[in-house]
Amino acid sequence: DAGITQSPRYKITETGRQVTLMCHQTWSHSYMFWYRQDLGHGLRLIYYSAAADITDKGEVPDGYVVSRSKTENFPLTLESATRSQTSVYFCASKGQGAANEKLFFGSGTQLSVL
Amino acid sequence: QKEVEQDPGPLSVPEGAIVSLNCTYSNSAFQYFMWYRQYSRKGPELLMYTYSSGNKEDGRFTAQVDKSSKYISLFIRDSQPSDSATYLCAMSGERDNFNKFYFGSGTKLNVKP
Repeated sequence: DAGITQSPRYKITETGRQVTLMCHQTWSHSYMFWYRQDLGHGLRLIYYSAAADITDKGEVPDGYVVSRSKTENFPLTLESATRSQTSVYFCASKGQGAANEKLFFGSGTQLSVL
Repeated sequence: QKEVEQDPGPLSVPEGAIVSLNCTYSNSAFQYFMWYRQYSRKGPELLMYTYSSGNKEDGRFTAQVDKSSKYISLFIRDSQPSDSATYLCAMSGERDNFNKFYFGSGTKLNVKP
C-alpha cells in the first residue's frame, strides 16, 4: 500500500549503542522529516531533507545523523544513544510546491534507551 | 513566547456535543494551517488543511482561520467517542522557509458515551 512506513515500531537499547530508525515512503515526495515527540515539548524537528543527498538540521539535531541516498528512504541514526533520546520518533513527508504544504506522518517508533 | 499556543486540555464532553478547539499564533507570515488528529500510540493524521483565511468544512469538521486575529479553530459537530484523541494544530508558509512547520502542543479530547 502507498504511504509512509517506519520500522521498528518499538526499540529498546542501551546507552552508548548505535541505533538506526528506518523510514520509507511510496509517494515519491521530495521532502522528508524526522521529528521527536516528548511530553511537555510537543513535536520537535530533528532533521529534514529536500531531496536525495540534500539534508539539513532542524531544531534538535545533536546526537543524530541522517542520510538520503534514495528519494524513498530517510534513515535516522543515533550514533551513541543516551537516555535523553528516549522518545517517540516520527518520520514525515510532503510533496514539492506551495500546493503541497501538508505533512504526512508515519506511525512512529517508540525508542527506549536504558 | 511560543510561535503557536494551544490549550493542552484535557477537554471532556458528552457524546453529541459540539467541540471547539483553538490555537493562537504570533507570526503573521503563516499561510497554511492544518489540524492533525493523533490517537494514542499512533502518528498524527492530517484532518483539515486550509490556505489563508476562511472556513473549510468536511463532514462533521469545520476549520476556521482568522488571520487578522491570528486565531484558528476546529469545530467538531455531533462528537463521537471515536473522536477521542489529541488534536494538534500546525502552520507553515513563512517566506523563504516553506519547509518549517510549527506545531501546537496538542489538546486532548475525550468524548464520553
